[in-house]
Amino acid sequence: EAGVAQSPRYKIIEKRQSVAFWCNPISGHATLYWYQQILGQGPKLLIQFQNNGVVDDSQLPKDRFSAERLKGVDSTLKIQPAKLEDSAVYLCASSSIIYGVSYEQYFGPGTRLTVT
Amino acid sequence: SQQGEEDPQALSIQEGENATMNCSYKTSINNLQWYRQNSGRGLVHLILIRSNEREKHSGRLRVTLDTSKKSSSLLITASRAADTASYFCATSDNYGQNFVFGPGTRLSVLP
Repeated sequence: EAGVAQSPRYKIIEKRQSVAFWCNPISGHATLYWYQQILGQGPKLLIQFQNNGVVDDSQLPKDRFSAERLKGVDSTLKIQPAKLEDSAVYLCASSSIIYGVSYEQYFGPGTRLTVT
Repeated sequence: SQQGEEDPQALSIQEGENATMNCSYKTSINNLQWYRQNSGRGLVHLILIRSNEREKHSGRLRVTLDTSKKSSSLLITASRAADTASYFCATSDNYGQNFVFGPGTRLSVLP
């Protein structure tokens, strides 16, 4: 079974530029998550999709971050404009749903973003 | 919001010893999960314990859950150098949403 794919693996941009990350979840997984992980901290949930609908985006900075999941499969996360504090690893994860509850998450390798 | 908090923040032990990490959270949960993260393999799911379970085993891992104290512990027995990693607990609410990861425990297993 193929794992969660993410691209790019690394990205360096200047502040105020825009950037986009792509994620392809495990086939058949209805739930997809985007996390931000700052060095030395635990992952912070940005947005959770179930199929192509958003179920939790309470911690997504909506003035600069946006995400979509077209057709309930792939997803993109965009930052525009980027700030220095956005430097972090962006992790995508997916999970299956059993009786309406999402369980263990499978993570991709992440995209390391550096904003200069 | 519910918050998983692990302690200790860092732990250093010798190979062969046992390692225990604790996690506390604030509100009702559907399940609690433990994950491991190292530079080689990224973030990997270790074990999930449901709110109606008290103890669960998986190989050298033993997880306990005390919902009355809103706490969980992860025990790694007979540790190996390969267990060196950061360990995180993660909780979700009763709807399987609002996932929160704690800050993690950094475990170093010395040969």
